[in-house]
Amino acid sequence: DAGVIQSPRHEVTEMGQEVTLRCKPISGHNSLFWYRQTMMRGLELLIYFNNNVPIDDSGMPEDRFSAKMPNASFSTLKIQPSEPRDSAVYFCASRKAGASTDTQYFGPGTRLTVL
Amino acid sequence: DAKTTQPPSMDCAEGRAANLPCNHSTISGNEYVYWYRQIHSQGPQYIIHGLKNNETNEMASLIITEDRKSSTLILPHATLRDTAVYYCIVKGSARQLTFGSGTQLTVLP
Repeated sequence: DAGVIQSPRHEVTEMGQEVTLRCKPISGHNSLFWYRQTMMRGLELLIYFNNNVPIDDSGMPEDRFSAKMPNASFSTLKIQPSEPRDSAVYFCASRKAGASTDTQYFGPGTRLTVL
Repeated sequence: DAKTTQPPSMDCAEGRAANLPCNHSTISGNEYVYWYRQIHSQGPQYIIHGLKNNETNEMASLIITEDRKSSTLILPHATLRDTAVYYCIVKGSARQLTFGSGTQLTVLP
């Protein structure tokens, strides 16, 4: 199995630009999670989907952030417009359908730098 | 979900057992203890979880005290590749994992 795939691995952009992060979960997993990690705040959950439906987006910092999951094999996290404080590593994770426990499989992350 | 307390850092000699403690004194009966680790610049990795019984898998052992107020993750023969931040997470009915600051384990040659 290929594991959770994220792209790009690194993104450098200028303030005000739109940024789109992509995630492909493990096949057969029906829950998908977006996290953000910074030195100051640690690892924070931004949003998670169950069967492609957003369940909890209370961690999304503000309206500049949006996430979609158009199908079971693809999700995007978009920041528009980006700001320097959005610089962080963004992780995507997925969980197996019907799992009775919370074993999540994380991708390698996207390191975002907003100048 | 119950909060956890972990030491910020620990060292362990290569080849020796690494014992990572976690306090979760407010844990309730239906909450599981999960352990994840994060090697530098990688995504977190699931290690093991348990409810009340001790658990063992190919990566580690989890020892949960009888009153469930604390647990210990044991890496039986630590290697340099086990250097990572180890997160102890207690999770019950909440839908998501909440990561704290964890323990930075450094395995020394």
